Amino acid sequence: QSVLTQPPSASGTPGQRVTIFCSGSSSNVGTNTVNWYQQLPGSAPKLLIYNNNQRPSGVPDRFSGSKSGTSASLAISGLQSEDEADYYCAAWDDNLSGWVFGGGSKLTVL
Amino acid sequence: EIQLVESGGGLVKPGGSLRLSCAVSGITLRTYDMHWVRQAPGKGLEWVSSISTGSSYIYYADSVKGRFTISRDNARNSLYLQMNSLRAEDTAVYYCARGVGVEAAIYLNWFDPWGQGTLVTVSS
Repeated sequence: QSVLTQPPSASGTPGQRVTIFCSGSSSNVGTNTVNWYQQLPGSAPKLLIYNNNQRPSGVPDRFSGSKSGTSASLAISGLQSEDEADYYCAAWDDNLSGWVFGGGSKLTVL
Repeated sequence: EIQLVESGGGLVKPGGSLRLSCAVSGITLRTYDMHWVRQAPGKGLEWVSSISTGSSYIYYADSVKGRFTISRDNARNSLYLQMNSLRAEDTAVYYCARGVGVEAAIYLNWFDPWGQGTLVTVSS
């Protein structure tokens, strides 16, 4: 059972907008910044969003992040087949003195 | 180009030990916090351990506390994870990752980039 809660799966058709939510608590998401990672099949994770809503250079602006209270979300607009991947949210947890990850959301492009 | 290359994984019996290494190139390691994250087969990501730039601050997940030791050699641009008393549930791909963010605030890090990982299998 992961400390951060994500839906195990999400799906959409090409061109659609999909949102993946990440639910935490006051000791993690509610207090600290949230980062999102993308893991393509057979590859290492890659940073997708940092500090709740910042995109690293090279990440398309189709990807966006937001946070409100103890929940965060990752939105992907203009869905493309190459977006099929696992997506993880992560945040520092003040009570655990360590990072916690969501269980991951597998995105399928139909 | 920044590169992180893990090594040292392999098959080990329960109760055994392994030492993972992460060779870093393209950056000066001493200016960055560093992290280990693992992924059991078919499972999600699990944070393992973190170490600050000067090794002053070290953190472990409860699942590995007392068994694993993180260390770094800034002169050799390398990060290490000594794993003792290994259990079947430690079987995973272990990734090292650079921490980026606010200086002296490891809890505000984000992990970028990640290495390609090294597989540790604990089985008799």
